[in-house]
Amino acid sequence: QKEVEQNSGPLSVPEGAIASLNCTYSDRGSQSFFWYRQYSGKSPELIMSIYSNGDKEDGRFTAQLNKASQYVSLLIRDSQPSDSATYLCAGGTGYALNFGKGTSLLVTP
Amino acid sequence: KAGVTQTPRYLIKTRGQQVTLSCSPISGHRSVSWYQQTPGQGLQFLFEYFSETQRNKGNFPGRFSGRQFSNSRSEMNVSTLELGDSALYLCASSLGGARGTETQYFGPGTRLLVL
Repeated sequence: QKEVEQNSGPLSVPEGAIASLNCTYSDRGSQSFFWYRQYSGKSPELIMSIYSNGDKEDGRFTAQLNKASQYVSLLIRDSQPSDSATYLCAGGTGYALNFGKGTSLLVTP
Repeated sequence: KAGVTQTPRYLIKTRGQQVTLSCSPISGHRSVSWYQQTPGQGLQFLFEYFSETQRNKGNFPGRFSGRQFSNSRSEMNVSTLELGDSALYLCASSLGGARGTETQYFGPGTRLLVL
């Protein structure tokens, strides 16, 4: 079973703080990893993709991948109330992505 | 560039019926993947089509099938509907390169309710 595990939360952070979201995966053959954000009643939208060990930064978002530990994380700096959503971690090989069940993030004003 | 479109957006069916959902990918994208999202199981991969061929398949029963047309548009069909098939069905499109690492972009989804 190729599993992606995430803490369901909710993770509550104050506005302006750093939110840290984590994910582990079981399939060592996974080559690509993604973080998607999903607002209630909407479809997932891409936040970040990462393929190599290390950090990747894009604006307020930083994704980190550690293939040895089978660990992926997402840091959101200067969190805003509009960041409140469910964050889905996904990984896989080819186009059959395995998704975690998501972490609910709440940013309080 | 227009995004992924899915029709219909909402659907109500009764047990035993069948349903067909449609997905039009982003222009130039040749790969279409289908996912089922439920509160209990999260997002689960159904299958992926590229150049009219099923290239990957998830662990769903044979009642779930799909196809892709020459213009990359895709349909999925669920026969003999069960209550547990109630879910949000999402399709995602990507360029479809052989390495399989390109980003998948999701459509708005079709919400299916089986009564």
